[in-house]
Amino acid sequence: AQRVTQPEKLLSVFKGAPVELKCNYSYSGSPELFWYVQYSRQRLQLLLRHISRESIKGFTADLNKGETSFHLKKPFAQEEDSAMYYCALRVETSGSRLTFGEGTQLTVNP
Amino acid sequence: AAGVIQSPRHLIKEKRETATLKCYPIPRHDTVYWYQQGPGQDPQFLISFYEKMQSDKGSIPDRFSAQQFSDYHSELNMSSLELGDSALYFCASSLGRTGGYEQYFGPGTRLTVT
Repeated sequence: AQRVTQPEKLLSVFKGAPVELKCNYSYSGSPELFWYVQYSRQRLQLLLRHISRESIKGFTADLNKGETSFHLKKPFAQEEDSAMYYCALRVETSGSRLTFGEGTQLTVNP
Repeated sequence: AAGVIQSPRHLIKEKRETATLKCYPIPRHDTVYWYQQGPGQDPQFLISFYEKMQSDKGSIPDRFSAQQFSDYHSELNMSSLELGDSALYFCASSLGRTGGYEQYFGPGTRLTVT
């Protein structure tokens, strides 16, 4: 069965510092990877999907099949980036369900 | 733009009671998903419906049942509630059963079982 791992439950950086949220997955086939963000008291929102290869709010993520990773990066963190970030995976053989990682709470300090 | 609506937003029940959670997808979306998120845990997939038929089933207890109605809204029925059912229940909707369609999430229903 597929699995997503986010090794850091909490991550704290200062404003303007680079930030990297780690995500590793286990699946032998070709998964589709996503990053979802949940701001305080708000719903889960899609931030990035690997197939679109775009940058949203300055965030990027590259799928590394060799390392089975999909780390989320931003060169200069902003205070408004403080939120819970979930990495998620979808595989065709499991319909369209999303398998989520445990989440990383990012805090950007002024 | 209209988003996914869930009701109620908060629900308090006692053990062994029943609860019904409702989800109203984004207009024209034909697929609905239910996820359960326990305290400090990641969302876990429960069940999904496409065009009113169950399309996928995850770790949903037998005490729970769900359906999608002709207007595409969905209801999650939970019986014989247990303390461990206390969680945030998310509904999401998408257009299309599979194939890379984005899932849009509702705000969740927070269920507390006492």
